[in-house]
Amino acid sequence: QVQLVESGGGVVQPGRSLRLSCAASGFSFSTHGMHWVRQAPGEGLQWVGVVRSDGNNKFYADSVKGRFTISRDNSKNILYLQLNSLRVEDTAVYYCAREDFSGYYSEYWGLGTLVTVSS
Amino acid sequence: QSALTQPASVSGSPGQSITISCTGTSGDVGGHNYVSWYQHHPGKAPKLIIYDVDNRPSGVSNRFSGSKSGNTASLTISGLQAEDEADYYCYSYTDSISYVFGTGTKVTVL
Repeated sequence: QVQLVESGGGVVQPGRSLRLSCAASGFSFSTHGMHWVRQAPGEGLQWVGVVRSDGNNKFYADSVKGRFTISRDNSKNILYLQLNSLRVEDTAVYYCAREDFSGYYSEYWGLGTLVTVSS
Repeated sequence: QSALTQPASVSGSPGQSITISCTGTSGDVGGHNYVSWYQHHPGKAPKLIIYDVDNRPSGVSNRFSGSKSGNTASLTISGLQAEDEADYYCYSYTDSISYVFGTGTKVTVL
């Protein structure tokens, strides 16, 4: 069955960096776009960005553009999110999600990993 | 990339029907038939319950239905049950090759 498992979260100081991973299994990873979505404490879901199946096309929310980078290793079935220049407001649970072939919704999600940005 | 507008909370008694609205613009909800809805229980992964405006994934109860008129999409839950108590989010593709969630609605079963 489809499984997505995020890891790499933790406590980090403002201005520092962190890399999240999402290990995928149970499907052909290289044929699906992959998304990152986050939820800050007490807030709603926020789309962070997407990488298309070949890893060459990436799109980001304005709030993270220039600071966050999505990448993928299709040989290892792993999705990454590099978080640079972290701000207190980046504190959130970060989810990865598998895009449907149509590209417009995600049926499979991980359980998330918590990133806390605090001095 | 402003969030789509949803009511903060909606409540109903068991067995009743409730409707959650999701208002966007012609650049997102109104311009595409790519609106989906997610049910989210705290601490769990979001669950897809409606995609492409009015389609249900396999295994999702037919008590959930979706629709759209102009820039507003709607999710209706009929025959409300205690297990439906959760947060609900709409989600849409946008003209700027990005995606946007709604502000979220907390559903309470009285």
